Amino acid sequence: AQTVTQSQPEMSVQEAETVTLSCTYDTSESNYYLFWYKQPPSRQMILVIRQEAYKQQNATENRFSVNFQKAAKSFSLKISDSQLGDTAMYFCAFGWAKTSYDKVIFGPGTSLSVIP
Amino acid sequence: DARVTQTPRDKVTEMGQEVTMRCQPILGHNTVFWYRQTMMQGLELLAYFRNRAPLDDSGMPKDRFSAEMPDATLATLKIQPSEPRDSAVYFCASVGQGARGNTIYFGEGSWLTVV
Repeated sequence: AQTVTQSQPEMSVQEAETVTLSCTYDTSESNYYLFWYKQPPSRQMILVIRQEAYKQQNATENRFSVNFQKAAKSFSLKISDSQLGDTAMYFCAFGWAKTSYDKVIFGPGTSLSVIP
Repeated sequence: DARVTQTPRDKVTEMGQEVTMRCQPILGHNTVFWYRQTMMQGLELLAYFRNRAPLDDSGMPKDRFSAEMPDATLATLKIQPSEPRDSAVYFCASVGQGARGNTIYFGEGSWLTVV
């Protein structure tokens, strides 16, 4: 069975600083996708970044980047130059990919607070 | 902007009542998920459909929950009878090609409170 673990229930960071959120997963699948989603107080789920397992290059999206370590089954999210609007719950997610998605499961989330 | 539409946005109901939540996936998306979010359990996958056929509903309590997709533009999640422990936010999501590859698009969620 596939599992996603986020070991940091809560984190805080000073505005303009850098923070890294951890995510590990367990799977026997070889073809899959990983995501980070952000959920601000509005409760809307917003895609932050996406990584395909077959790609060795780490995905980046403006101030957001990942450190994907496939052998270690680790997928951490780095937020640079943190902004107040980054305050949210962050969910790591794992999706099996065969012809398309078969299933996507989420970790328990990390609550990030950006402090002015 | 194409988006997943869910109704109702918020619902308060009494225990024992039937609750139906509706979802309109983005046109052309053929995979639809239902998730439930609670403080204790986080995001749980309840059911998902591909081309309107249910692929997996193992996460859903079968005695009171049912999920259907009567056509490509409508997915429903029904709870009958509802119980206080069903209080949660229920998300519908559909999968399609985004600018960054296959992407899950979430609706805004239906916040259900059962009293």
